Amino acid sequence: AQTVTQSQPEMSVQEAETVTLSCTYDTSESDYYLFWYKQPPSRQMILVIRQEAYKQQNATENRFSVNFQKAAKSFSLKISDSQLGDAAMYFCAYSGSIQGAQKLVFGQGTRLTINP
Amino acid sequence: DAGVIQSPRHEVTEMGQEVTLRCKPISGHNSLFWYRQTMMRGLELLIYFNNNVPIDDSGMPEDRFSAKMPNASFSTLKIQPSEPRDSAVYFCASSLRAEKLREAFFGQGTRLTVV
Repeated sequence: AQTVTQSQPEMSVQEAETVTLSCTYDTSESDYYLFWYKQPPSRQMILVIRQEAYKQQNATENRFSVNFQKAAKSFSLKISDSQLGDAAMYFCAYSGSIQGAQKLVFGQGTRLTINP
Repeated sequence: DAGVIQSPRHEVTEMGQEVTLRCKPISGHNSLFWYRQTMMRGLELLIYFNNNVPIDDSGMPEDRFSAKMPNASFSTLKIQPSEPRDSAVYFCASSLRAEKLREAFFGQGTRLTVV
């Protein structure tokens, strides 16, 4: 079974600085999808960024980028120019490509605090 | 589209009572997921459906939990009888299975408190 591990329960960063959240996963599949979701206090789950495993290029969405290391099974999220609105729980998630394995498997989450 | 709609947003019930959580997925989506979120266990997949058919219910904790999807626009998660340890936030999510990007869209969740 696939597992996702986020080893940082909490992180904090000064506003306008850069922070990196770590995520590792375990799978025997060669093709899969990885995601970072954000959960603010409103509890809404919001997709931040996605990465297809067959793509070597790291995904980028404005201030958010990932460092995808397929061999190491690592998928970290970098937030540049941190803003107060980035404060939230961040979840790393995995989705397989085998039929029927579409479900998302989540890590335990990292609580990110932005210090003004 | 209004997104995934869950009701109620909050539910407080007494131990032993039946609880029914409801979900309306995004129109056109053919996969639906029920997740439970607790501090101790994080986000757990309870069950998911493809084209209204349950595919994997291995996450359903016990027989007190049941889920149905009678049509493409509605699903329910029922707990009977409810217990205090069922207190959690329950999320419904939907996605388009054929869509390569696999993004799951979440509802706002139902916070269930069993006293």
